[in-house]
Amino acid sequence: KQEVTQIPAALSVPEGENLVLNCSFTDSAIYNLQWFRQDPGKGLTSLLLIQSSQREQTSGRLNASLDKSSGRSTLYIAASQPGDSATYLCAASNDYKLSFGAGTTVTVRA
Amino acid sequence: EPEVTQTPSHQVTQMGQEVILRCVPISNHLYFYWYRQILGQKVEFLVSFYNNEISEKSEIFDDQFSVERPDGSNFTLKIRSTKLEDSAMYFCASSDVGHAQETQYFGPGTRLLVL
Repeated sequence: KQEVTQIPAALSVPEGENLVLNCSFTDSAIYNLQWFRQDPGKGLTSLLLIQSSQREQTSGRLNASLDKSSGRSTLYIAASQPGDSATYLCAASNDYKLSFGAGTTVTVRA
Repeated sequence: EPEVTQTPSHQVTQMGQEVILRCVPISNHLYFYWYRQILGQKVEFLVSFYNNEISEKSEIFDDQFSVERPDGSNFTLKIRSTKLEDSAMYFCASSDVGHAQETQYFGPGTRLLVL
């Protein structure tokens, strides 16, 4: 059974600082890994998807890396802004389902 | 931009009652999913659905749960006899052909409260 862990559980940084969010998974036979953003009481917004054959994926200020063999992915957010405050979830895809981590709650202080 | 929609946004029901949660996936998508998130816990997979059949289901998805695609646009989750522990946010998701390689797009969720 796939287990996904995210560290740290919470992070508070001043505006402008770069963010590094970590995700680890136990079963390396994944199809892809997705990063999501969740605002309080809201749904999940897909940020990035990295295919299992890829090492990295970028979208604007976001960059995600994947090391499948070691079961790790990292989401980097450059030059953080208060609007980046949210919970970030990673999810590993095996077969027909996603297995989610518990998330990292980010607070960016103005 | 196309999006997954869900109705209702909130539902309150009495224990033992049946509820039906509705979803309209993105129109050209062929794979559909239900997930749930109990308050303060991880998002959990319930079921995936393709070609009018369940592809995979979790141990949570017992005989009290069923899914249906009653027409070309809707995808529903039915809970036959709700329990207190069914209180959660329920998310519908859909993905395009070749689901394993494709992004799953999530709806805004239905918050279910069982009293």
